Amino acid sequence: GAGVSQSPSNKVTEKGKDVELRCDPISGHTALYWYRQSLGQGLEFLIYFQGNSAPDKSGLPSDRFSAERTGGSVSTLTIQRTQQEDSAVYLCASTKGLAGGPNTDTQYFGPGTRLTVL
Amino acid sequence: AQKITQTQPGMFVQEKEAVTLDCTYDTSDPSYGLFWYKQPSSGEMIFLIYQGSYDQQNATEGRYSLNFQKARKSANLVISASQLGDSAMYFCAMRLRTGANNLFFGTGTRLTVIP
Repeated sequence: GAGVSQSPSNKVTEKGKDVELRCDPISGHTALYWYRQSLGQGLEFLIYFQGNSAPDKSGLPSDRFSAERTGGSVSTLTIQRTQQEDSAVYLCASTKGLAGGPNTDTQYFGPGTRLTVL
Repeated sequence: AQKITQTQPGMFVQEKEAVTLDCTYDTSDPSYGLFWYKQPSSGEMIFLIYQGSYDQQNATEGRYSLNFQKARKSANLVISASQLGDSAMYFCAMRLRTGANNLFFGTGTRLTVIP
């Protein structure tokens, strides 16, 4: 597609359930990022994939959060045993590759998934 | 540690006037990129403008320009000839050329354009 796509756009779940959020980056973009936007915390980096390298998980808030990227393209963010504080908008972004200039630095964002944990 | 500071939680501007949104940053890395994103009420994060740390000239993109003052570590966004559709949240962000290359975001400024 022309841009980053994410699904679902909205997800309501009960506390304790597992959820999966999907991101489809721009075709040809090798780097993929997950961010979380919540009222109290602003925009936080969660995890980063670059090509086939091991992901940088330094931003994941707990071991309930995990992500994978299959075939260097689509990524799935999984939250296990959801808690109410996980309620946020989860944003995915992609770039052409390693940072090094305007073409590779710029991250393009998807529309986000709004997660509500009841 | 990397930090982006936006000191204006909210700004108002008259339609057709210019407005400056402030952003200061802190990093010890010599190589980085600076960005401004717009987030309308619909929620998508729209890329507006980019400035590289080694760029000699200030970036411009249509009605957007970035007033880059490297010594002061500031990267203010100037929007000229404001339009009603400019009403949105605006985020300043920085991306280092090392590590995860993730974006560090400021807390944002909500701009309201008054007709």
